[in-house]
Amino acid sequence: KNQVEQSPQSLIILEGKNCTLQCNYTVSPFSNLRWYKQDTGRGPVSLTIMTFSENTKSNGRYTATLDADTKQSSLHITASQLSDSASYICVVSFNFGNEKLTFGTGTRLTIIP
Amino acid sequence: EPEVTQTPSHQVTQMGQEVILRCVPISNHLYFYWYRQILGQKVEFLVSFYNNEISEKSEIFDDQFSVERPDGSNFTLKIRSTKLEDSAMYFCASQVEETQYFGPGTRLLVL
Repeated sequence: KNQVEQSPQSLIILEGKNCTLQCNYTVSPFSNLRWYKQDTGRGPVSLTIMTFSENTKSNGRYTATLDADTKQSSLHITASQLSDSASYICVVSFNFGNEKLTFGTGTRLTIIP
Repeated sequence: EPEVTQTPSHQVTQMGQEVILRCVPISNHLYFYWYRQILGQKVEFLVSFYNNEISEKSEIFDDQFSVERPDGSNFTLKIRSTKLEDSAMYFCASQVEETQYFGPGTRLLVL
């Protein structure tokens, strides 16, 4: 069964600090891996999308990495801000074109002043 | 910037009643999706829609569910006879190239 596991489940860090969130997946065949940010009660918003041939992708203070051999990805957040408090979800697609997404359980990140 | 919109934002219904959740995808997008998220759980794929027909559906999307694009702009999800376990947040998404854009969701509560 295709699965996406994330760790940690939740994380609390001080404003201004960096953090790294982890994702392991067993989805096969693999099309692409995405990281989404989901604020409470809102729809997910795309941060990065990586295909199997990409190792890293940045979007501002967000940097995602992908190791397709070990089926692991990470999302690194630099210089965290209070507005970064949200759930971060790793999502893997195993279709090409019309994409069916498999969502991870997410990491709940809280930034404290 | 164009957005996916969904109505209503909240819906409360009695078990056994029919509900229709509405979505207006971004206008030049070709692929459309419905997802649900039960409170405290992960987002789950329900169905994808392309070229006026269902492309793929999950095991959750049983005969109680249907989708249609009645007028070329709206994209609807109908639940024929709601059950308590249908209570969830329902997200619509539309896609262009690689990126799926999600709407704000409809929170459905079945009593």
